Amino acid sequence: AQSVTQPDIHITVSEGASLELRCNYSYGATPYLFWYVQSPGQGLQLLLKYFSGDTLVQGIKGFEAEFKRSQSSFNLRKPSVHWSDAAEYFCAVVTNTGNQFYFGTGTSLTVIP
Amino acid sequence: DTGVSQDPRHKITKRGQNVTFRCDPISEHNRLYWYRQTLGQGPEFLTYFQNEAQLEKSRLLSDRFSAERPKGSFSTLEIQRTEQGDSAMYLCASSRGQGGYTFGSGTRLTVV
Repeated sequence: AQSVTQPDIHITVSEGASLELRCNYSYGATPYLFWYVQSPGQGLQLLLKYFSGDTLVQGIKGFEAEFKRSQSSFNLRKPSVHWSDAAEYFCAVVTNTGNQFYFGTGTSLTVIP
Repeated sequence: DTGVSQDPRHKITKRGQNVTFRCDPISEHNRLYWYRQTLGQGPEFLTYFQNEAQLEKSRLLSDRFSAERPKGSFSTLEIQRTEQGDSAMYLCASSRGQGGYTFGSGTRLTVV
């Protein structure tokens, strides 16, 4: 069965510091992987996605993620965090039929001045 | 591209009442999805349409829930005899094929 694990429920970083949010997935075939960001009371905004090819993918707002098949991971990174990055971040895997997302439980990011 | 629109943004209803939500997907997107998100959790899949055909339904979608997409454009999600456990954010998403999933801002339902 497909599943996504985000081991960090909450992370606090200082503005300007680097960030890495962890995501591990369980899926039998080649996964389609996504990172979404959600501000309070809002819907989800796509940050980046991986379907195939280069395992390092670039997204919006300066985010990137690296797909590591051997570790079943798709960690999200940003070299320098801005206060506006404070939000909830969700990793998701989609089946190869593309009919259903499986989301992790999210990581809440707090940015301190 | 005007995005995925959901209406209403917020709905407060008394337990036992029926509610209906609407989703307008991006116009050229043939796939439409409904998800439910409870506090502190990631969204959970409810159902999926390809054009007007409802092709998948989650076991979360009890017989009190029904979704339609009558002309392959907008979709409605109805909850009958609402219960407090139905309180959640209901998210709609659309896509064209397997790429470009776009979520709406959601409808937050509160059952009192």
